[in-house]
Amino acid sequence: EVQLVESGGGLVQPGRSLRLSCAASGFTFDDYAMHWVRQAPGKGLEWVSGISWNSGTIIYADFVKGRFTISRDNAKNSLYLQMTSLRAEDMALYYCAKDIVGAGFDTFEIWGRGTMVTVSS
Amino acid sequence: QSALTQPASVSGSPGQSITISCTGTSSDVGTYDLVSWYQHHPGKAPKLIIYEVIKRPSGVSNRFSGSRSGNTASLTISGLQAEDEADYYCSSYAGSSTSFVFVFTTGTKVTVL
Repeated sequence: EVQLVESGGGLVQPGRSLRLSCAASGFTFDDYAMHWVRQAPGKGLEWVSGISWNSGTIIYADFVKGRFTISRDNAKNSLYLQMTSLRAEDMALYYCAKDIVGAGFDTFEIWGRGTMVTVSS
Repeated sequence: QSALTQPASVSGSPGQSITISCTGTSSDVGTYDLVSWYQHHPGKAPKLIIYEVIKRPSGVSNRFSGSRSGNTASLTISGLQAEDEADYYCSSYAGSSTSFVFVFTTGTKVTVL
């Protein structure tokens, strides 16, 4: 069974950092691009970042450029999101999602259940 | 990049067909075939129901279909069922002179009357 399990969320003060992780299983992780998508409370889905199978292509939403860094460790079947300079507006449920292609980007085929990030003093 | 637009809510009776529109621009929906639709029941993981404008993933009911005309993509749900009551989102790959990103709609709440 294809499964994505996010972790690392929690309560953090504005301006601080947090690292999210996503553990993948049930598929050949290094064959596919991966993404982070978030949903703020009461709001819609918002794409955050994507990374190709070999980390050769990385893309970010404008609102996180320079603050968030996506990475992956194919040996550990894991995806990461390093978040710095967190703001109140970054508070959201963060989902990890699997693409259907590896070298480029296409769609968000499989999603995890999400990990909640709360930014508050 | 601006968010794509879609109606906030759509409703229908069981057995009816409904259509949700997703309006973008020539920089996203109108140019790229990477338009997808997702069904989201609150508290659960979103589910991909249409990708590349018209394709349906394995296991997704053929009551769901996608289409596009110009800068507007559409999702049609035929034979509406109670289980279809959920939030629906459209996404598209979007390009500019400096970057490529994905954009989502704000979502449409589908109510089965």
